[in-house]
Amino acid sequence: DAGVTQSPTHLIKTRGQQVTLRCSPKSGHDTVSWYQQALGQGPQFIFQYYEEEERQRGNFPDRFSGHQFPNYSSELNVNALLLGDSALYLCASSFNRGITEAFFGQGTRLTVV
Amino acid sequence: EDKVVQSPLSLVVHEGDTVTLNCSYEVTNFRSLLWYKQEKKAPTFLFMLTSSGIEKKSGRLSSILDKKELFSILNITATQTGDSAIYLCVVLGAPGTYKYIFGTGTRLKVLA
Repeated sequence: DAGVTQSPTHLIKTRGQQVTLRCSPKSGHDTVSWYQQALGQGPQFIFQYYEEEERQRGNFPDRFSGHQFPNYSSELNVNALLLGDSALYLCASSFNRGITEAFFGQGTRLTVV
Repeated sequence: EDKVVQSPLSLVVHEGDTVTLNCSYEVTNFRSLLWYKQEKKAPTFLFMLTSSGIEKKSGRLSSILDKKELFSILNITATQTGDSAIYLCVVLGAPGTYKYIFGTGTRLKVLA
C-alpha cells in the first residue's frame, strides 16, 4: 500500500504565478482534504473533496481552488501567488464512513519568491 | 470560534524521562480528538479518542480524554531520541463539518 502520495515534494515559484499540487489518496479512501502549514504553526484546513465536489471550505480566498477526479485523486491550484503562500501543503485522505482517522502525505513545500 | 490549544509549545528532556503533553479545546459539538506525530513532514496517526475516561495505549504512549473539562493529555514514558517530533492535537467538530482543527503543536526534543 503506497499510502498518500503527493507531488512535487518541493517547488519554487515567483509572486503572481500559478501552481498545481497533486495528491493520490491511500488505497480504499474516497475523501481528500488539503491543509496549509506555515512554519511553526499547526495545519490549517483549506478544503475537502468528496464525490468530485468541494464539500467544505476553510477561510482561504478564491485564489485557492481544487479538483477531485473519478479515481479520487485531487489537485490543489493556487493562482496569483503571494509571498505569504509559502508553506507546506499537506494532503490527507480518509474513508467517508463514520469517524475515521485521516492519513497524510509527505507534503509539498512551496516557496514563493 | 473553534480553538485547540496545546501546551507546552516546546519541551526538551533526556532519554528515559516521562513527558505529559496537554491539549485543551473549545469546539462546537465535539465528535473526536486525535493525536498525530509529525517528525519531518507527514503527520502520522497515534490515537483517536471519543469517550471520556477511557485510556488509549500503544507501547510507551498513552492518552486520555476528559470531555467535561475539555482537555486531553498524551503521555510518553521512558522517552527515546526517536520520540523527538512535533505532537499535534486535532479535534473534529459537529456532524456535517469535516475539517480537522489543529493545535499549534508541542515540539518535543529528547536528548541522548
